[in-house]
Amino acid sequence: SQQGEEDPQALSIQEGENATMNCSYKTSINNLQWYRQNSGRGLVHLILIRSNEREKHSGRLRVTLDTSKKSSSLLITASRAADTASYFCATALRSGGFKTIFGAGTRLFVKA
Amino acid sequence: DGGITQSPKYLFRKEGQNVTLSCEQNLNHDAMYWYRQDPGQGLRLIYYSQIVNDFQKGDIAEGYSVSREKKESFPLTVTSAQKNPTAFYLCASNPGTNYGYTFGSGTRLTVV
Repeated sequence: SQQGEEDPQALSIQEGENATMNCSYKTSINNLQWYRQNSGRGLVHLILIRSNEREKHSGRLRVTLDTSKKSSSLLITASRAADTASYFCATALRSGGFKTIFGAGTRLFVKA
Repeated sequence: DGGITQSPKYLFRKEGQNVTLSCEQNLNHDAMYWYRQDPGQGLRLIYYSQIVNDFQKGDIAEGYSVSREKKESFPLTVTSAQKNPTAFYLCASNPGTNYGYTFGSGTRLTVV
């Protein structure tokens, strides 16, 4: 797998359901970030979780980080049609200075 | 409002031409980045700059050039040496390590 690889590649759910996306990485990180991208637009920063943190919340978003398994998950609760977008995880490498690597993303489709 | 402005939104390049993509930020961020996104894929780092008058190559710098003469501006030139330039180009900035990125709305470049 590549650094910052999301799973699943695509996810389709009904409005009101929860959506869970996972991210795995290979090398030690300073932090891990989640972003949202609507079609044809720039990315929007959602949450940053540092390597010494295990869980963070922001509104309907919950991010967990397990450094022993080199994985993270993004949970969106009570999803809405407006949550339809691609979601990317990005890892800031511990040895990479300012270098952050983005995964290929999970495409989420929320049906009204 | 603070943010990043990319222009133009759409750009068409003829074979053998150099074109320059503009990126301006008024966030007072030290670091700026250029990423390339191909359909259905993640972002790949082209160049980044941590301070004025200094920049480093990313993973796919060949065929591209940048300058950082002012803190607010980080233009990207796609040269004729870039053989497959058709892509979505995203500029981003952040204050430094352990901060998320703020992205512009992107420039879609097409070779005609």
